[in-house]
Amino acid sequence: DAKTTQPTSMDCAEGRAANLPCNHSTISGNEYVYWYRQIHSQGPQYIIHGLKNNETNEMASLIITEDRKSSTLILPHATLRDTAVYYCILSGAGSYQLTFGKGTKLSVIP
Amino acid sequence: NAGVMQNPRHLVRRRGQEARLRCSPMKGHSHVYWYRQLPEEGLKFMVYLQKENIIDESGMPKERFSAEFPKEGPSILRIQQVVRGDSAAYFCASSPQLDRGPLNGYTFGSGTRLTVV
Repeated sequence: DAKTTQPTSMDCAEGRAANLPCNHSTISGNEYVYWYRQIHSQGPQYIIHGLKNNETNEMASLIITEDRKSSTLILPHATLRDTAVYYCILSGAGSYQLTFGKGTKLSVIP
Repeated sequence: NAGVMQNPRHLVRRRGQEARLRCSPMKGHSHVYWYRQLPEEGLKFMVYLQKENIIDESGMPKERFSAEFPKEGPSILRIQQVVRGDSAAYFCASSPQLDRGPLNGYTFGSGTRLTVV
């Protein structure tokens, strides 16, 4: 699976939108972009995934650039409970492994 | 609607003892995956199992580690003769039958934190 690059850490004010970037310039045509988060001492929690189109669910929105070389996870109204490490992961169709990097540590500030 | 259940949540073992970590997949899931997370690191894939079959153990250390998913009961990750370097969080995930599409339903448990003293 291709490599992703994320900032080490970010801060966001409570109630504001949190925009977490991810670069994946060597993504392959059949690779999905997945976002998971890990709140301290818990297991990873699925957030959202996408292939080409932008996606939205009850947790977040995922914006994928047209060339698919980067993406942004958007938490529209960050709360203190969104403080976590966020992982951007690429995985091919039919793959069963998720390769976790070090992610972005998001701190939501009151 | 129970999720992926792992137990124990915390396990302390002395060097040289055996550690047994259990994972019960979500209802309806027949595929189990084990991951290890060392301090300050991301999760690393260890092994993928289906009932009574090891599909991929490419991430498992060659010695002292084994995994099984019997016909009845939970999946077991077994570590023999533990050493301090085995101290980590061990996570299990489960999924339904996979197809050629995205990883739908791939769900993680809360993990077992192993401390070797």
